[in-house]
Amino acid sequence: KAGVTQTPRYLIKTRGQQVTLSCSPISGHRSVSWYQQTPGQGLQFLFEYFSETQRNKGNFPGRFSGRQFSNSRSEMNVSTLELGDSALYLCASSPWTSGSKETQYFGPGTRLLVL
Amino acid sequence: AQKITQTQPGMFVQEKEAVTLDCTYDTSDQSYGLFWYKQPSSGEMIFLIYQGSYDEQNATEGRYSLNFQKARKSANLVISASQLGDSAMYFCAMRGGRSVPIQGAQKLVFGQGTRLTINP
Repeated sequence: KAGVTQTPRYLIKTRGQQVTLSCSPISGHRSVSWYQQTPGQGLQFLFEYFSETQRNKGNFPGRFSGRQFSNSRSEMNVSTLELGDSALYLCASSPWTSGSKETQYFGPGTRLLVL
Repeated sequence: AQKITQTQPGMFVQEKEAVTLDCTYDTSDQSYGLFWYKQPSSGEMIFLIYQGSYDEQNATEGRYSLNFQKARKSANLVISASQLGDSAMYFCAMRGGRSVPIQGAQKLVFGQGTRLTINP
């Protein structure tokens, strides 16, 4: 079974631009979560989607948004990019079945550099 | 609020030795899950092992085991017979008391990580 895929893998943008990152979950997984990883702040939760609805959101400004499609694929968008948005953006999928053992499986990430 | 603390920024271990990576956590939830992930330089987070707060036995997955001490709120990862390929960042993470499929249950809180280097 194919793992979580993220595109693009690398991205360079300039301040003020916007960017859209894509995530395809493992086949059959219905929940997608996004995380931002930076050297200073570590791994921080951005948002969680299930059934095309945002279920939870981390403490990020409104410039960060996302959506999920009917096939469970998800996109996240960052508008008006700032230098501090340079990070590794990780997507994780999980089956959304039941129980506390539900495990999130991560993709390879998208490395975003804002100049 | 939940918090994960990993006090070892870096560790150096000789190949074939066992290594213990420390993780302590803080939560007011009665039910929670603890995870360990490995992140090689490529960036992908690889799931290693899971421990539930109500699990009576310590979790094991091949060369990985989790030394869970609930009263001390610690969940240390033990890697037996380390290999060169074990060199990576290791993250301890927690998910709070709400179990899937309750909405909003997926959020993981991560520690700062430990960089493990295995020397030949």
